[in-house]
Amino acid sequence: DIVMTQSPSSLAVSAGETVTINCKSSQSLLSSGNQKNYLAWYQQKPGQSPKLLIYLASTRESGVPDRFIGSGSGTDFTLTISSVQAEDLADYYCQQHYSYPTFGGGTKLELK
Amino acid sequence: QVTLKESGPGILQPSQTLSLTCTFSGFSLSTYGMGVGWIRQPSGKGLEWLANIWWDDDKYYNPSLKNRLTISKDTSNNQAFLKITNVDTADTATYYCARMRWGHFDYWGQGVMVTVSS
Repeated sequence: DIVMTQSPSSLAVSAGETVTINCKSSQSLLSSGNQKNYLAWYQQKPGQSPKLLIYLASTRESGVPDRFIGSGSGTDFTLTISSVQAEDLADYYCQQHYSYPTFGGGTKLELK
Repeated sequence: QVTLKESGPGILQPSQTLSLTCTFSGFSLSTYGMGVGWIRQPSGKGLEWLANIWWDDDKYYNPSLKNRLTISKDTSNNQAFLKITNVDTADTATYYCARMRWGHFDYWGQGVMVTVSS
């Protein structure tokens, strides 16, 4: 299994702040064949299904605001949300698909 | 427009078999590169991938549950299915199906709640 470890597990923020969520994998997610990192980020608001934000570590899904930025390579990845808005309060999950899919434990973004 | 919707029994008893159906539109599971996966989420907890099936009928299962899972598809009717045998209370969760592309899940259903209780 590739184990995905997210930190922090929860984060209290004020509107307008920039936040960083970390995701570490137990093995490299970088494909030597195509130099792509098989890492995705999802947002899940209360009572809703997860929504894809970022795939291949840094490619923003269509329609996702550009304040959501994915970065990182190998085993260490980051989701940065610049100028957090009230609508961004949600749970965030990373997911690797280098091998069979596994998810991180999640990060709850709350209002300070 | 891609949509997916899960259906299931709602409640079942321990040791029974859970049968789930994912009915989708806006894409075809016979198209190269397309897949459908099943993911579950116990209330208040995180996400767990269960299984996925690809356009070419290739199937993959979570190793921790593999001997209890069977995934299949009906391409003509735009449906995917998941069976979980010998359920117990630990299988109580919301079950999602999602379209799979390059290994990530780009469209999700609304989820169906399943409760295992005697």
